[in-house]
Amino acid sequence: AQSVAQPEDQVNVAEGNPLTVKCTYSVSGNPYLFWYVQYPNRGLQFLLKYITGDNLVKGSYGFEAEFNKSQTSFHLKKPSALVSDSALYFCAVSRGGSYIPTFGRGTSLIVHP
Amino acid sequence: DSGVTQTPKHLITATGQRVTLRCSPRSGDLSVYWYQQSLDQGLQFLIQYYNGEERAKGNILERFSAQQFPDLHSELNLSSLELGDSALYFCASSSEGSVYEQFFGPGTRLTVL
Repeated sequence: AQSVAQPEDQVNVAEGNPLTVKCTYSVSGNPYLFWYVQYPNRGLQFLLKYITGDNLVKGSYGFEAEFNKSQTSFHLKKPSALVSDSALYFCAVSRGGSYIPTFGRGTSLIVHP
Repeated sequence: DSGVTQTPKHLITATGQRVTLRCSPRSGDLSVYWYQQSLDQGLQFLIQYYNGEERAKGNILERFSAQQFPDLHSELNLSSLELGDSALYFCASSSEGSVYEQFFGPGTRLTVL
């Protein structure tokens, strides 16, 4: 079985400050890890993925995520938050070779002007 | 715009009824995935089709069924509807060249009264 935990329902950050959205996972075998973003009344949009290689993954809109195998974490980061980054963020994991991800419950990111 | 289209956008129906949700994947994508998003369950994978054949099954109820047609569009059929089936239903597609990146449609919001 595989699972994802996003421990924060909501993250608040001021515009211009760095942001972190946390994610930990559990999976047997090699993890494939993903971040998606959902804006109001929209479907999910792919941000980035970790399959193998460099632990620091860069994605869309200036986001990056760091894979930490020992801590089974894959936190999403951005150096300088924008108000337009306010949205619902989902972390997902799949077992290596599987195309079917298990999603976390989501974290609402609110960036204050 | 992800290139994945879903119809209808909204659907209101009564308990016991049957509805059909439609999805057209991005041009050239052979895989179609169906997800259910609700407040209590989060985002749940239902079923995947690849080039017309069922590839993977998730938490899909027996009252629900899906199919993918030769033109690659897919339909999700929900029958004997219950109040608890009220949710957002998303379709996603992926390509051979990027199987781990899913492109989501805007969703169909189903309300069962």
